[in-house]
Amino acid sequence: QVQLQESGPGLVQPSGTLSLTCSVSGVSVETVDWWSWVRQSPGKGLEWIGEAHHSGLTNYIPSLKSRVTVSVDKSKNQVFLKLRSVTAADTAVYFCARDAGANPAYWGRGALVIVSS
Amino acid sequence: QPVVTQEPSFSVSPGGTVTLTCGLSSGAVSRSNAPNWYQQTPGQAPRTLIHNTNIRSSGVPNRFSGSIVGNKAALTITGAQADDESDYYCALTVPGDFSVFGGGTKLTVL
Repeated sequence: QVQLQESGPGLVQPSGTLSLTCSVSGVSVETVDWWSWVRQSPGKGLEWIGEAHHSGLTNYIPSLKSRVTVSVDKSKNQVFLKLRSVTAADTAVYFCARDAGANPAYWGRGALVIVSS
Repeated sequence: QPVVTQEPSFSVSPGGTVTLTCGLSSGAVSRSNAPNWYQQTPGQAPRTLIHNTNIRSSGVPNRFSGSIVGNKAALTITGAQADDESDYYCALTVPGDFSVFGGGTKLTVL
């Protein structure tokens, strides 16, 4: 059974870097699939952030592209998210997901990250 | 970036049929946008109902179906049940190879 588990600091200082890890079990990240990050601000809808393939290919939403990096570590079977220069607007639950077709399909439970001093 | 549009809210009677839609500001939705549909209740991760337009995810009841209707993606719930009351989101892949979620539809079953 495929499981995804997000982890990382729950509190990040403004202007700092948000770093999250998605630990994948039950499947190798070296599949044909892409691995996405999605976030949801409190009381708001879902926002796709970006995705990575184990080959190193990535895609990002234009509005965040200058601040975000998504990567895959084959040796650790993990997926990473880094979001730089964060503000309070980046406070959200962050979900890791495995794509099916071309969009997120298999989800982790999510990790709440609060940006605050 | 393109905007994905969904009805903000919808209501359906128990046992009734409802079709939620997912449109694209830049034009018609097609299978190439690989529409996915999700159900989400408060405090929970999204549950994927449909991927690639009409492929039902494992364990999803067959009262949920996906299609393209006109120039939009559509999620049809046939024989709605009380526990179908949730938020429903769609996601589309758009030119530039990134995904965009719709704003979500709050479905009420009453």
